[in-house]
Amino acid sequence: DTGVSQDPRHKITKRGQNVTFRCDPISEHNRLYWYRQTLGQGPEFLTYFQNEAQLEKSRLLSDRFSAERPKGSFSTLEIQRTEQGDSAMYLCASSAQPGQDSTNGYTFGSGTRLTVV
Amino acid sequence: AQSVTQPDIHITVSEGASLELRCNYSYGATPYLFWYVQSPGQGLQLLLKYFSGDTLVQGIKGFEAEFKRSQSSFNLRKPSVHWSDAAEYFCAVGGRTGNQFYFGTGTSLTVIP
Repeated sequence: DTGVSQDPRHKITKRGQNVTFRCDPISEHNRLYWYRQTLGQGPEFLTYFQNEAQLEKSRLLSDRFSAERPKGSFSTLEIQRTEQGDSAMYLCASSAQPGQDSTNGYTFGSGTRLTVV
Repeated sequence: AQSVTQPDIHITVSEGASLELRCNYSYGATPYLFWYVQSPGQGLQLLLKYFSGDTLVQGIKGFEAEFKRSQSSFNLRKPSVHWSDAAEYFCAVGGRTGNQFYFGTGTSLTVIP
């Protein structure tokens, strides 16, 4: 396994267009997370899945954003009617389900950098 | 409220010098603490993590961090910095469920020869 893969690495789109990003997690990880990172900031939580179930969504995830993980493997993040404020690095991460007495750090992908012009 | 503060936006050190990056957190339950490193245009790599037990934890690349509950701090240290350590460093806090981590705004490290 080569880690968490994200595609594409870069995306430039015109305002108002729809974009979709893909994330392939580490195969044995049942948890998958999406974070957004803007310039000069740390990553901010968007949403996470356990297997195919989307269990939590941030208030940052407006109605224009939708995430899916249909078979509990790869995930997609779609942004409809993109705005300039959506320009950011979108990071995907995966982890194993935490044990009773521990939790796990994430393994991050390299991210998809979105530029809305 | 849950939050992480990294008071130093940017630090410059000479190669071979020691390093300490500061992190303070606010978390309503038992905190699980992490340090990540990010090179330009890349994702984040886990350096080390603290769950419980010994408050001094060792990580990869010669880094260590010390958890001080009384000060709500989790500072990252390295005895001798290498030029390849130049990167952005993020401290994060979360809970046992691992549902969501809260990241600081990062500290950018420059290493001069």
